[in-house]
Amino acid sequence: GAVVSQHPSWVICKSGTSVKIECRSLDFQATTMFWYRQFPKQSLMLMATSNEGSKATYEQGVEKDKFLINHASLTLSTLTVTSAHPEDSSFYICSAPDRGRVTGELFFGEGSRLTVL
Amino acid sequence: AQKVTQAQTEISVVEKEDVTLDCVYETRDTTYYLFWYKQPPSGELVFLIRRNSFDEQNEISGRYSWNFQKSTSSFNFTITASQVVDSAVYFCALSEANQFYFGTGTSLTVIP
Repeated sequence: GAVVSQHPSWVICKSGTSVKIECRSLDFQATTMFWYRQFPKQSLMLMATSNEGSKATYEQGVEKDKFLINHASLTLSTLTVTSAHPEDSSFYICSAPDRGRVTGELFFGEGSRLTVL
Repeated sequence: AQKVTQAQTEISVVEKEDVTLDCVYETRDTTYYLFWYKQPPSGELVFLIRRNSFDEQNEISGRYSWNFQKSTSSFNFTITASQVVDSAVYFCALSEANQFYFGTGTSLTVIP
């Protein structure tokens, strides 16, 4: 099956630092990847759509300068939380559709839990 | 309007009881896909099932079964003889026109 891997699984950082989260499609090419954010006891909220070779598309209310997304290759997208603050603490999950399957399915990474002190 | 509605926020059952998680969706497309995911405390989303809009057959997989009814736009999920390991948050999701929509999730607690 299609596998999406996310790294790191968890990270703790000090307020004001930047944190990078990587999302890789291991056995398929992903021209598009999606980044979600999930607060405790809430559903997944789409933050942005990452497009290989072009700018990401951000959902309303998501700060582009705060959450930098880069999709430099067909298998890698990165999310950088810049100048992180405690309110950025959350669970971040990436996903990618396997276009070749035409099933509408998204394949999810394991998620990255960010804690900002 | 919510595309996927999971009206049950939290459910608690005693082990070995059966439990049904409700999911109602909204779409105008004729081609769409429905999913159920399990999210244990570890956070990773575990894929359970995918159904396309042209296949209304119910499905059974072990203790899990799904009831897809287009007439009521519902895709309900039943766990038979629940176990403590079934405790998790369950998300129903809809995929249409390259858009993916999650429900708000149902937190299931199975009490030993």
